[in-house]
Amino acid sequence: EDQVTQSPEALRLQEGESSSLNCSYTVSGLRGLFWYRQDPGKGPEFLFTLYSAGEEKEKERLKATLTKKESFLHITAPKPEDSATYLCAVRLFSGGYNKLIFGAGTRLAVHP
Amino acid sequence: ETGVTQTPRHLVMGMTNKKSLKCEQHLGHNAMYWYKQSAKKPLELMFVYNFKEQTENNSVPSRFSPECPNSSHLFLHLHTLQPEDSALYLCASSPGGWGRRMETQYFGPGTRLLVL
Repeated sequence: EDQVTQSPEALRLQEGESSSLNCSYTVSGLRGLFWYRQDPGKGPEFLFTLYSAGEEKEKERLKATLTKKESFLHITAPKPEDSATYLCAVRLFSGGYNKLIFGAGTRLAVHP
Repeated sequence: ETGVTQTPRHLVMGMTNKKSLKCEQHLGHNAMYWYKQSAKKPLELMFVYNFKEQTENNSVPSRFSPECPNSSHLFLHLHTLQPEDSALYLCASSPGGWGRRMETQYFGPGTRLLVL
């Protein structure tokens, strides 16, 4: 069964304390992995797209990496404004159809 | 930049009501999407419109009926909903079509729906 799992469910960091969020997937026919940020009461905001193992993308304090089984979102020296829920989604082609499966998200809280 | 608007932002309806959610994108995109986000459940893709043609319907009950009159507007018609349909309904759009290499999706703020 195609599955996307994010861990941890929630993460509390002190400002400046670097860490990583994990998105593991068991799918066939991967056609892309996406990271989004979602603030309370708002729609998700696109961060990164990764298409192949070994690919890396960076934006400010965030860096996303991809292997054949998982992706990591590394947060370097986070600030309180990085507090949000981070969502991972996997696009795949299965059974003749395109599918997009989201993980449940990681709630990140960064405290001063 | 989102450029995707949704109305209404909040909606309360009874199980016998008929209502519609509206989504408009001002980005010149060719694909539009409806998602459902329930509490403590992952985001679920409901419908995909690719160049105004519906290309995906992920086993969504018929009480949800999408309509895409043009590439800028997307509607979700609701009728005889159940309380478990209460959720945040999100609309999104992307520049290219729902093709082999899906591009960035831009989300609207969502409509918070409560079914009584």
